[in-house]
This record gives sequence, C-alpha cells and structure tokens, in this order.
Amino acid sequence: AQSVTQLGSHVSVSEGALVLLRCNYSSSVPPYLFWYVQYPNQGLQLLLKYTTGATLVKGINGFEAEFKKSETSFHLTKPSAHMSDAAEYFCAVSSTGGGNKLTFGTGTQLKVEL
Amino acid sequence: GAGVSQSPRYKVTKRGQDVALRCDPISGHVSLYWYRQALGQGPEFLTYFNYEAQQDKSGLPNDRFSAERPEGSISTLTIQRTEQRDSAMYRCASSSNRGGLNTEAFFGQGTRLTVV
Repeated sequence: AQSVTQLGSHVSVSEGALVLLRCNYSSSVPPYLFWYVQYPNQGLQLLLKYTTGATLVKGINGFEAEFKKSETSFHLTKPSAHMSDAAEYFCAVSSTGGGNKLTFGTGTQLKVEL
Repeated sequence: GAGVSQSPRYKVTKRGQDVALRCDPISGHVSLYWYRQALGQGPEFLTYFNYEAQQDKSGLPNDRFSAERPEGSISTLTIQRTEQRDSAMYRCASSSNRGGLNTEAFFGQGTRLTVV
C-alpha cells in the first residue's frame, strides 16, 4: 500500500520568499513521485516528477523537488515566490509500473502575500 | 480535442437519481483515468482504461458506480441511486500510452456533483 502525507494544509509566504511545501510518502516498492498544481477552476497540472536517476528534479515555473529515500520525502521548493504561484499543490505517489494510478496527498494551499 | 473535456461542469441531482458523467480525452490518448475528490481531500483513484478495456476498477467504492469506454475514446462514469456521500468533484485524466510513467497524465477541469 502507498500513502502520501502533506504537512500543512495552508502555507503563506511573502512575495520573493522561499517556498517550501512538504511531502512524505510511504511505499513498499520504489516509488514514482509527482507534484501537481491546481489553479482555481482549472484541472490539475503536472509540475514535476521523479521516476529514476537524478534525485533533484526540476519542473516548470522554477519549482524543484528532491527525492530523499532515507527521509522518505519529496519536498517541493522554489527560491522566490511570485503572486502567480498562489494555488493548491498536491503530492502524489505511484508504484513502479503503476502507470498514472496515483495516490494523492490532501493538498497544500499556497498563499503569496505582498 | 485540445485538452481533456468533462461534462457537465456542474451537476445537481436529487438523492436516488442516476447520473452520468462524461469524459472526452485528448485525441489519440490510450489511457483514461477517473478520480474522485472530496472537499478538502486529494483526488482518489476510481478506475482506468487502456483503449476500451477497463484495466483496474479497484477504486470504485461500491456497485452503484460503473464506467465504460466502449470505443476507446469517450468514457462515461455512471452513479446509480445517488447518495449525499457521492457529492464530490469527479476528475478525468488521459495519457498517451498504456500508463507508462514516462508520459504525463492530463486532467480535465472536473465535474462538480452535488446530491441533495
């Protein structure tokens, strides 16, 4: 069985500040890990994913995440927040060969303040 | 089409009625997924298809829920005898291969179902 825990349902940062959204996973097999973003009235959009290889993954809009097996974590970061980053972010896990059958976390709402 | 299209966007139905939710995937996409998202929760897997074949329906909560994709393109998720607990956002996604993880799943905007 797999699961994802996102710490903090709401995170607020100032524009220009570091964004850090936390994700921890549980998986009995090597995981594939994803971050999705959801803007209001839109569908989920893939930000980045980790499958194999380099543990530091770069995504769209300046976001990146690092897979740390020892910590079972896949935290999402962005050096400098922009107002347009305000959205809901979901971490998800899938097992090897599980295709896009994803197990999602409960989401983190990011607020960016002036 | 240009993206995954779901209809209707909003559906209000009375308890006990049947509803059908439609998903039109990106043209040519092989795999199609259904998820359900309750308020304040992440999306929860329901079922998925490769072409017209239903590969996994382990996430369907009970036998009131069913899905089909008869021609390997448009899919319908049907909920019979709806209950208030069925109220949620229903999301569809499609991807271009048989679910391989090197391809991205594209999500539609979802159908917000409210059972009153």
